[in-house]
Amino acid sequence: KAGVTQTPRYLIKTRGQQVTLSCSPISGHRSVSWYQQTPGQGLQFLFEYFSETQRNKGNFPGRFSGRQFSNSRSEMNVSTLELGDSALYLCASSFAVSTDTQYFGPGTRLTVL
Amino acid sequence: KQEVTQIPAALSVPEGENLVLNCSFTDSAIYNLQWFRQDPGKGLTSLLLIQSSQREQTSGRLNASLDKSSGRSTLYIAASQPGDSATYLCAVCSGYSTLTFGKGTMLLVSP
Repeated sequence: KAGVTQTPRYLIKTRGQQVTLSCSPISGHRSVSWYQQTPGQGLQFLFEYFSETQRNKGNFPGRFSGRQFSNSRSEMNVSTLELGDSALYLCASSFAVSTDTQYFGPGTRLTVL
Repeated sequence: KQEVTQIPAALSVPEGENLVLNCSFTDSAIYNLQWFRQDPGKGLTSLLLIQSSQREQTSGRLNASLDKSSGRSTLYIAASQPGDSATYLCAVCSGYSTLTFGKGTMLLVSP
């Protein structure tokens, strides 16, 4: 079956703009998590959604937001982009029980100029 | 707050060697521990998942162990190959499908 898909794969934006990233989980998975990966900080948790509800949120400013739709697809939005938001944004899906394997998508590479 | 540390940060070995990657975590209240592989510029590939009640998991040439009480896990790679070259990441789940990652071990296997 198809894996986790993320669109777009690459994005270039300028400071002050906003961006929306999309994630489609594996069929049947109801939990979607988002992570930011940078060379300096490594992989950091942004937020997790299950059945359209945010269950957990990482330590990121309010400029980072997300949502999940009834078909489990998820989007994350970053407003008022800063240079430091340049990163690889990864999405992961699972069945939702904390004991489940997390499956990651290929990521969206965001560059802020 | 959970913290995950991986040692060494980088490792270079000749093809055929057996090797061990280490991972430690500060809070033993975990649901599971997962090892991932990441190739440059790519997403993460799940290698092994160890539930908190388990001691080890094996897949092919890979074997991962978990000692929850001491907050440690190891990933053993047998008979390494150049195709094993990648960054290996350890992550623990402490609830709500949320993973805390280490910084990774960059492995280079030379022919």
